[in-house]
Amino acid sequence: QQQVKQSPQSLIVQKGGISIINCAYENTAFDYFPWYQQFPGKGPALLIAIRPDVSEKKEGRFTISFNKSAKQFSLHIMDSQPGDSATYFCAAEGGSNYKLTFGKGTLLTVNP
Amino acid sequence: GAGVSQSPSNKVTEKGKDVELRCDPISGHTALYWYRQSLGQGLEFLIYFQGNSAPDKSGLPSDRFSAERTGGSVSTLTIQRTQQEDSAVYLCASTLGLTPQETQYFGPGTRLLVL
Repeated sequence: QQQVKQSPQSLIVQKGGISIINCAYENTAFDYFPWYQQFPGKGPALLIAIRPDVSEKKEGRFTISFNKSAKQFSLHIMDSQPGDSATYFCAAEGGSNYKLTFGKGTLLTVNP
Repeated sequence: GAGVSQSPSNKVTEKGKDVELRCDPISGHTALYWYRQSLGQGLEFLIYFQGNSAPDKSGLPSDRFSAERTGGSVSTLTIQRTQQEDSAVYLCASTLGLTPQETQYFGPGTRLLVL
């Protein structure tokens, strides 16, 4: 059972465009939703995270939108840059454990 | 302060051999996590440690996989009698404590290839 579904699998955007990655979850016990960014040959690094008591969180060009009733959340990258080219993972945590459940990742390519 | 380190960075082994993967967490971090990243499959939780104990081993795929942590610091993930399906990147992460919503800091991973 895949508890966090992520789409699209890959995404190509032109420089300056908006990148949008979507995730949906099933477990209503989840109460923390981070996004991780991973460059080739590196481990994932926390990019931005949201809790379900807010519907949106913005940090610079990165925004998370959260829809609790739909059990969906998304990452928006405004003014996408070639340096944003990476794999992005959504994740969820909650309930009685501290482990992260990850989506399968989205490979983002931003063309110059 | 150094980040999470893992060794070796790459490991090629033959089917049936045992391998040991090492993780050095950030100094002072009490919780340590192991994940497996297979191509196109995202990150799969394996096990986590609080201190030297492992409250949750639910992600270990079979009894060929085991992990230990000594001195509340270094952890070793051992895979016995490796199979080709074990080929993946094994990632380690650590957190300062074991409270909800803590940032997990990942190492660069060990890329394991089983021939």
